Amino acid sequence: GAVVSQHPSWVICKSGTSVKIECRSLDFQATTMFWYRQFPKQSLMLMATSNEGSKATYEQGVEKDKFLINHASLTLSTLTVTSAHPEDSSFYICSARDQSGGETQYFGPGTRLLVL
Amino acid sequence: AQSVTQPDIHITVSEGASLELRCNYSYGATPYLFWYVQSPGQGLQLLLKYFSGDTLVQGIKGFEAEFKRSQSSFNLRKPSVHWSDAAEYFCAVARMDSSYKLIFGSGTRLLVRP
Repeated sequence: GAVVSQHPSWVICKSGTSVKIECRSLDFQATTMFWYRQFPKQSLMLMATSNEGSKATYEQGVEKDKFLINHASLTLSTLTVTSAHPEDSSFYICSARDQSGGETQYFGPGTRLLVL
Repeated sequence: AQSVTQPDIHITVSEGASLELRCNYSYGATPYLFWYVQSPGQGLQLLLKYFSGDTLVQGIKGFEAEFKRSQSSFNLRKPSVHWSDAAEYFCAVARMDSSYKLIFGSGTRLLVRP
């Protein structure tokens, strides 16, 4: 089956630093990847759509300068949380759309970010 | 606008009992529908999906779901629940534009009594 990995699985950082999270599709190519944020006991909130070779498109209310997204290849998208603050602490999940699988998104295991 | 409603925030069933999780959607055409499961601290795992064809869809782990257009529903069922099924379940519908975005329901937390 389609497998998506995320790295790191958890990260603790100091306020003001930047954190990069990687999302990889391991056994398929993904022209489109998505980044979500999930607060405790809540559903997933779509942050942005990452398109290979072009700029990401952000959902309303998501700061593009704070959450930098790069999708340099068909198997890798990165999310960088710049100048992180405690309110950025959350669970970040990526998904990848399988080109050959139609509209199915496969999700990574998530990255838990704690900003001190 | 498309939306997905999961009316049950949490459900508790006894191990071995049957399960039905409700999902209603709002969409003008035939939607692409999904059920995902999330264990604590984990990502989402695809249980099953419906695009077209047979309205009764079989998924992994013994789950099935039935698409009922007249009721705008896509309920998830399992005949006999195992303790390992305790998790959060999300129903989702795919936007039928070029964005391929998923719209999620609020989720239903399943608790399993021994």
